[in-house]
Amino acid sequence: EDKVVQSPLSLVVHEGDTVTLNCSYEVTNFRSLLWYKQEKKAPTFLFMLTSSGIEKKSGRLSSILDKKELFSILNITATQTGDSAIYLCAGRDTYGNKLVFGAGTILRVKS
Amino acid sequence: DVKVTQSSRYLVKRTGEKVFLECVQDMDHENMFWYRQDPGLGLRLIYFSYDVKMKEKGDIPEGYSVSREKKERFSLILESASTNQTSMYLCASHPGARNLYGYTFGSGTRLTVV
Repeated sequence: EDKVVQSPLSLVVHEGDTVTLNCSYEVTNFRSLLWYKQEKKAPTFLFMLTSSGIEKKSGRLSSILDKKELFSILNITATQTGDSAIYLCAGRDTYGNKLVFGAGTILRVKS
Repeated sequence: DVKVTQSSRYLVKRTGEKVFLECVQDMDHENMFWYRQDPGLGLRLIYFSYDVKMKEKGDIPEGYSVSREKKERFSLILESASTNQTSMYLCASHPGARNLYGYTFGSGTRLTVV
């Protein structure tokens, strides 16, 4: 059975800290890994990673995929209170469009 | 701007009631999905549909059914609501296999069954 495991489940940091969120996956016929940010409403797309070792960056957020070790990390530098959210990781297989989600990491950034 | 609209943000229903959750997308997407989200469990797939009138079970279909009579609308039905179906329900859509990117989500319906 496909599964995605995220760690830590929750995290509290102070503004300005750097955080690393982890995601390991076991997805049959793996195609890509996606990261989402969820505040009070719908999850919003952050990154999609398909190739190993290629970092994707968007402002203070970056992410990388290791297809050999089957994991991904999401880094957030110089955290701000607006980064407080649930961060979801999901794996997608080659044949369909189903996403298998992890439980999420709840990040709280204190001012 | 593309949109997935869920008809209700909050619902309170009684045990045993039949409950309809509606989801409409305006992007002409082929694929639509229903997930429930519970703390510590993440998003779990209930049902999905790759085309009109087609449906497939996800990981936790028990107690639910779906209907997709039109491409833009995907309804989730709780045949006889129970307290363990109290949850956040998220609908999502996706253009289809050729598109590499992820889903567009609705804002969610928080259902409480009392």
